[in-house]
Amino acid sequence: KAGVTQTPRYLIKTRGQQVTLSCSPISGHRSVSWYQQTPGQGLQFLFEYFSETQRNKGNFPGRFSGRQFSNSRSEMNVSTLELGDSALYLCASTPGVTGANVLTFGAGSRLTVL
Amino acid sequence: SQQGEEDPQALSIQEGENATMNCSYKTSINNLQWYRQNSGRGLVHLILIRSNEREKHSGRLRVTLDTSKKSSSLLITASRAADTASYFCATDAPAGNKLTFGGGTRVLVKP
Repeated sequence: KAGVTQTPRYLIKTRGQQVTLSCSPISGHRSVSWYQQTPGQGLQFLFEYFSETQRNKGNFPGRFSGRQFSNSRSEMNVSTLELGDSALYLCASTPGVTGANVLTFGAGSRLTVL
Repeated sequence: SQQGEEDPQALSIQEGENATMNCSYKTSINNLQWYRQNSGRGLVHLILIRSNEREKHSGRLRVTLDTSKKSSSLLITASRAADTASYFCATDAPAGNKLTFGGGTRVLVKP
């Protein structure tokens, strides 16, 4: 099985711009979660999508949004970028139904905001 | 906010020694998991222990869970240079469909 694929792996943006990150989950996985990782705040939960619906949401401003498509691929968008949005954005997938919530992570998208 | 707090924040040991790290959490849980992250990459799941279990083994890993103290420990025995990584505990609370991660322990295993 292919793993969780995140694109792009690295990107540089300037303040005020927007960015879209993509995540393709493991085949058959219907749940996709997004996390932001920074040295200061650690791993922070952004949101989780299951069957194209946002099922859970973290404490991030409305500039952070996401969606999931019918093939379970997910995108997250950050608008009006701020310097503090520089981070490693991690996507993870699970089957999403019964059972323990064991996450399989992608390699991440490293965003630098200048 | 983080559910789990880990200590120590960093640990340096010689190859062959054991490494122990601890995780404390605040609310009731369904299970607790440990993940490893190599240098800015994605996290890899290591082991899961359910709230009704007290100890679990997987290869050179031993995890304990004390729900009365809301704490867990991860022991890596006979460490190798390849164990150099950051280790995170994550709690799965009954109410939601998300894992909440601790701050992590950075482990350096010197050859």
